Amino acid sequence: SAVISQKPSRDICQRGTSLTIQCQVDSQVTMMFWYRQQPGQSLTLIATANQGSEATYESGFVIDKFPISRPNLTFSTLTVSNMSPEDSSIYLCSVAPGGSYTGELFFGEGSRLTVL
Amino acid sequence: LAKTTQPISMDSYEGQEVNITCSHNNIATNDYITWYQQFPSQGPRFIIQGYKTKVTNEVASLFIPADRKSSTLSLPRVSLSDTAVYYCLVGTTGGGNKLTFGTGTQLKVEL
Repeated sequence: SAVISQKPSRDICQRGTSLTIQCQVDSQVTMMFWYRQQPGQSLTLIATANQGSEATYESGFVIDKFPISRPNLTFSTLTVSNMSPEDSSIYLCSVAPGGSYTGELFFGEGSRLTVL
Repeated sequence: LAKTTQPISMDSYEGQEVNITCSHNNIATNDYITWYQQFPSQGPRFIIQGYKTKVTNEVASLFIPADRKSSTLSLPRVSLSDTAVYYCLVGTTGGGNKLTFGTGTQLKVEL
């Protein structure tokens, strides 16, 4: 199992600014994922951030807009750059402690971002 | 990439069995099927996972037919606390590295 802490839990930001979301895991995990969940919608995978390699972004998401760092096996950050109201969403960090994409995923509580 | 489809919502009463079906017509050979539960303001929580046939744990059963193009999550004797959104996730173990969540089913349980 894994316990995930995300910071901030929520924030209100101005258009054009950037915000960095932190994800801290209580155990070492290789596989980590960042999801976005817009109000009333399902989860959309932004990128896979495995330690030791560059993050892999899904279609529609680019590194310039959502840079990710993964400095070690317990920590990652996602930055939402040059924000617009369309970026208002919940951003979730997730890990797969079993080391497999078919394994159980553990999620943080999410970071609710509102862009004015 | 296996796209999944679920009913948008379902209603039930306490004590009833609830079956939620997920369609995944393009599921790949190596894909597993996983179901998650999500309450408001929380991250999704793992319920059950399977590859084929039937899997049962202490909270749910998962039925997967031979062609694996769909799966059914069965919740026995639901209670008010089971009111949540349920997501079907199809996992790819290959180089695609994609974990695709379904549209989600909002289950509402009433007295």
